[in-house]
Formats: sequence, C-alpha cells, structure tokens
Amino acid sequence: EPEVTQTPSHQVTQMGQEVILRCVPISNHLYFYWYRQILGQKVEFLVSFYNNEISEKSEIFDDQFSVERPDGSNFTLKIRSTKLEDSAMYFCASSERDSSNQPQHFGDGTRLSIL
Amino acid sequence: GNSVTQMEGPVTLSEEAFLTINCTYTATGYPSLFWYVQYPGEGLQLLLKATKADDKGSNKGFEATYRKETTSFHLEKGSVQVSDSAVYFCALKGAGNNRKLIWGLGTSLAVNP
Repeated sequence: EPEVTQTPSHQVTQMGQEVILRCVPISNHLYFYWYRQILGQKVEFLVSFYNNEISEKSEIFDDQFSVERPDGSNFTLKIRSTKLEDSAMYFCASSERDSSNQPQHFGDGTRLSIL
Repeated sequence: GNSVTQMEGPVTLSEEAFLTINCTYTATGYPSLFWYVQYPGEGLQLLLKATKADDKGSNKGFEATYRKETTSFHLEKGSVQVSDSAVYFCALKGAGNNRKLIWGLGTSLAVNP
C-alpha cells in the first residue's frame, strides 16, 4: 500500500537555526498537510497546500514557517529561526481529494528537538 | 468552533476484554468522523471512518457509530489483543471548506496477556 514518507525521523537543532522537514506524499494525491503534536498535547493543524499554494493555515503558522513543493514529489516544511517551543512531532499528510469524507494519510512523523 | 473530546487514558485491559473509548464532538453542520491509531514508534494510521449520521465504520474488529443525537463516535472492540496496544485518536473534519482535521487528545491502550 502506498505510504507517506518523512525524513528525517529525528532532528536535533540549536535554537535560532533553520530546519527543513521533508515529506514525500502518496504519488496520486493532490492535497498536502502539516500537523504537529507537542508532547502531551493534541495534534494541531498547521497548514494545507494545494495547486502550489497554501489553501489554509492556522495561527501557529506564522512568518517563521513556510512550505514548498520544490519538485513533483517532495513537500517541505521550513522553520526559519527555531524556538524551544517548536519542539514537537511533525506529521505530514496527503489526500487524494479534499472533500469532507476523504481521509488524510499520514507519515511516521519527524521528532524535532530544539536545544 | 469545532472540537473533539476523548476519554482520558491510559486504559489497561486484559486480553479478550471488551474495549470502549469514548469520543464526543462539537461541530457545525455535518462533519466526517475518524479514528486513527498510532502503534509504538509508528505514524498515524486511519483505523475507520464514518461520514454521515448513523453510519458505522469498522476495521480490524473495531467499530464506531456516528451518533448525531448524542454527538458521539465511541470506539469499541469486543475482544482486544496484545497487538491492539497503541494510542487511539478521534478526529473530525468539518463540512464545507474546512480541510483540516480536529483532534482529540488521544487515549493510550495497553493490553496485557
């Protein structure tokens, strides 16, 4: 069964440094998402992306965050200047269509640790 | 706004016990409802879904019925196995242009042999 893949599985970065989290969505999917889960808290939506532009973003997704689909397969999340509170598990997801009843398929996540 | 409330864990059961994990929601319109499971060291996997009132989602022996009158989507399994030990997340996706999933806190289940 096709999978969403995320790299790296664990990223350790010094505060203030830039970090790029990478995702390869399922190949025929058109809608892409990033979520994060801070330890002990709910999974939170960050951003959705379709047709090479952001379709929705949360309040968390401020100017320090950006997303890009640099080629036909990768979907990246960049944090420009990381803060301690960015430490979380980051999940990428994709879906074939964007209707309400379509499930999103998730990768295994990247654990980001900011020191 | 939309929200999901899940029963708190951890839940510890013996093998072959009956499982219920409660999930209630608040939403405008007619959301779709999902259960995801996260096994140790793995990502979020879709377990089952229901997209309209009275629908029953089922998979791997798990079931959940979309109850609009009680705004609930409780997860049940008649006989759990050690391999069901995982964290279970209830989530909803709103109607219309709400593309994002709204999540419950997750319920950790440990099944002992």
